[in-house]
Amino acid sequence: KAGVTQTPRYLIKTRGQQVTLSCSPISGHRSVSWYQQTPGQGLQFLFEYFSETQRNKGNFPGRFSGRQFSNSRSEMNVSTLELGDSALYLCASSPNLATSTDTQYFGPGTRLTVL
Amino acid sequence: GDSVTQMEGPVTLSEEACLTINCTYTATGYPSLFWYVQYPGEGLQLLLKATKADDKGSNKGFEATYRKETTSFHLEKGSVQVSDSAVYFCALSDHSGAGSYQLTFGKGTKLSVIP
Repeated sequence: KAGVTQTPRYLIKTRGQQVTLSCSPISGHRSVSWYQQTPGQGLQFLFEYFSETQRNKGNFPGRFSGRQFSNSRSEMNVSTLELGDSALYLCASSPNLATSTDTQYFGPGTRLTVL
Repeated sequence: GDSVTQMEGPVTLSEEACLTINCTYTATGYPSLFWYVQYPGEGLQLLLKATKADDKGSNKGFEATYRKETTSFHLEKGSVQVSDSAVYFCALSDHSGAGSYQLTFGKGTKLSVIP
């Protein structure tokens, strides 16, 4: 079974631009979560989508948004990019709405660099 | 809120040495505990998990026991290999409302194993 895929793997943008990242979960998985990884803050939860609805959102500004499609694929969007948005963005999927014991399966990430 | 504290790295060991990476947590509920590993240029892979007190998770020679009394989940391996060089993350599942859970991660510990 194919794993979680993320596209693109690398992105370079300039301040003020916007960017869209894509995530395809493992086949049959319906929940998709997004995390931001930076050297300073580590791994931080962005949001989770299930059945095309955002179920949870982390402590990030409104410039960060996302959506999920009927085939469970998800996109996240960052508008008005800032230098501090440079990070590895990781997508994770799980079969259903995440429970305490569920394993989340991570993709390879998209490396975003903001110049 | 809930939090995870793990020992600072980097950790450098010789091949066949013993490994312990300390992890302690603070949680209001009864979380599940996870160790994830990140190899260079890749996303996170689940290494092992434990879902209740005194459970021992194990995989690829790594072990960790869920100690509720000490709120710890230390990662151990008796004999490390060069191929174990990676960044290791301790995490807990954190109830985030709306019936869902998110992962809260420690800062990560970079392990380098030299021949």
